[in-house]
Amino acid sequence: DGGITQSPKYLFRKEGQNVTLSCEQNLNHDAMYWYRQDPGQGLRLIYYSQIVNDFQKGDIAEGYSVSREKKESFPLTVTSAQKNPTAFYLCASSIAGTTDTQYFGPGTRLTVL
Amino acid sequence: GQQLNQSPQSMFIQEGEDVSMNCTSSSIFNTWLWYKQDPGEGPVLLIALYKAGELTSNGRLTAQFGITRKDSFLNISASIPSDVGIYFCAGPQTDSWGKFQFGAGTQVVVTP
Repeated sequence: DGGITQSPKYLFRKEGQNVTLSCEQNLNHDAMYWYRQDPGQGLRLIYYSQIVNDFQKGDIAEGYSVSREKKESFPLTVTSAQKNPTAFYLCASSIAGTTDTQYFGPGTRLTVL
Repeated sequence: GQQLNQSPQSMFIQEGEDVSMNCTSSSIFNTWLWYKQDPGEGPVLLIALYKAGELTSNGRLTAQFGITRKDSFLNISASIPSDVGIYFCAGPQTDSWGKFQFGAGTQVVVTP
């Protein structure tokens, strides 16, 4: 089945450690996105990428980093510089050019202790 | 960026009732998307609208793309317990290529 996978579903880390969240898609979509969702909050854009080897900062990029070495993969690293990293992280993808429909992965719940 | 105002913020309804929610914007959108999110899960796309005036159904769900391109509506008919969740509207921004704007969500609670 085509879709977006995120792993792991739950992730625990100690404060001060960097952690990388995985996102893979087999939809052949050009564009990929990372969002953060806090309880009772809407979606906030962290980073997005329209094409391999290129990405742009979203609204809350500070303390995060990404890479886009392959079309199907867009990992997100939460660095120790992120002041409040505990949140629900969502990866999404869409067809670049039309950018008219976005699909989401199941999410990763990150808890920093 | 373009803002999406979604209302109501929450709804408490009885099983079997119809539900209606809407999103409005001060600027136009060329696509309207409606998602449902269950607790601890990613949003699932329910309906996508691509043309002003378009009315599209998906089972008990019906959504419409407003004629002005500045609003959209989602209706759920004969609600059932599994309709519980948060419903989001969204659309690709026309003033920032590649980015999407999301409504704040409508929390739907269905009581038996």
